[in-house]
Amino acid sequence: GEDVEQSLFLSVREGDSSVINCTYTDSSSTYLYWYKQEPGAGLQLLTYIFSNMDMKQDQRLTVLLNKKDKHLSLRIADTQTGDSAIYFCAETGSARQLTFGSGTQLTVLP
Amino acid sequence: DSGVTQTPKHLITATGQRVTLRCSPRSGDLSVYWYQQSLDQGLQFLIQYYNGEERAKGNILERFSAQQFPDLHSELNLSSLELGDSALYFCASSTEQLWYTFGSGTRLTVV
Repeated sequence: GEDVEQSLFLSVREGDSSVINCTYTDSSSTYLYWYKQEPGAGLQLLTYIFSNMDMKQDQRLTVLLNKKDKHLSLRIADTQTGDSAIYFCAETGSARQLTFGSGTQLTVLP
Repeated sequence: DSGVTQTPKHLITATGQRVTLRCSPRSGDLSVYWYQQSLDQGLQFLIQYYNGEERAKGNILERFSAQQFPDLHSELNLSSLELGDSALYFCASSTEQLWYTFGSGTRLTVV
């Protein structure tokens, strides 16, 4: 079945860039997503990328997709304390519903 | 406000009991998905409905069931509750399997 993996923790200094990585196994993935979850809150869609794209930029967010290696990354430029949250990578492929990674806890240090 | 409404926000109940979680999808979305988020299992897909019909099933226990009504709202029924069922239950809705919008979740605590 589909599998999505992420590292569990990332700490960065305020103002630095954060890079959160994700790998997936489903080669039929059509869309890949990044969601943000703040404490006690729901899942907020940050951005998505279609599988025929290599890169997508949206303000401080840059998504890179390496389809050959099935590797997705999310770069947050000028990381702020308000960016502290759990970030989930997710994909839709043959399962036709979202499959999530375990989430990466991003901590932004002042 | 995401447009997906889940009620109640919090629920505390005893083992062996039965509860019903409710979800109203975003206007125009025909698909509803239920997910369970727990510390040890992460975000697990439970079940999907599309326009009233069950479309896909994930890791849903036999003690759990769901349905989608003609007005497209959905209910997730959890019965014979166990301590391990304590989790956040999310509902999401989508159109054309592209935009998945999540509700703020129902936190279930089984004591």
